Amino acid sequence: SAVISQKPSRDICQRGTSLTIQCQVDSQVTMMFWYRQQPGQSLTLIATANQGSEATYESGFVIDKFPISRPNLTFSTLTVSNMSPEDSSIYLCSVEARGNEQFFGPGTRLTVL
Amino acid sequence: GESVGLHLPTLSVQEGDNSIINCAYSNSASDYFIWYKQESGKGPQFIIDIRSNMDKRQGQRVTVLLNKTVKHLSLQIAATQPGDSAVYFCAEGSQGAQKLVFGQGTRLTINP
Repeated sequence: SAVISQKPSRDICQRGTSLTIQCQVDSQVTMMFWYRQQPGQSLTLIATANQGSEATYESGFVIDKFPISRPNLTFSTLTVSNMSPEDSSIYLCSVEARGNEQFFGPGTRLTVL
Repeated sequence: GESVGLHLPTLSVQEGDNSIINCAYSNSASDYFIWYKQESGKGPQFIIDIRSNMDKRQGQRVTVLLNKTVKHLSLQIAATQPGDSAVYFCAEGSQGAQKLVFGQGTRLTINP
């Protein structure tokens, strides 16, 4: 299985600011995914990030709000832009490895005041 | 749209008993299913998966059953331990699409 780390693990931010979340994997992977998990809720896919191409966003998520970078096969960033309290969530990255299996990072717990 | 749901949002069992967590899915095109365990403050942890050409798969103390006729998935945990307390999510996908759709989650509590 892949070992995934995320930075920061948690943050408290002010309304209107932006936060960039980093995801690092210990092996090269083609597919990386970003999810949001609102308090007490399940996971919702934000976008799929492939190295060398634009991220593919799910319905309800747009690039201006959640820009994503994927500069190489082991790293990706998700930015939460112009934050509001509704953006308070856990943000998780995952990678696809060993067939269709997805492995998740520990998550970034974001609180927006 | 397509959805994956669960019958029970919470489940409490006595330590040592067996537990069964259920999941219903609606996308008949899904051919891959996964169960995840999420402990407090952590990311989801892969437990077991099953493909649509199977109806049962066993792991260590866990068994996943798939009934495509009624679009039902279940996770059985044998001889539950305190460390099994967590939220369990089912997820569905298809091999061609990579992305997963997650169910709402069931909180499993193991009572001593």
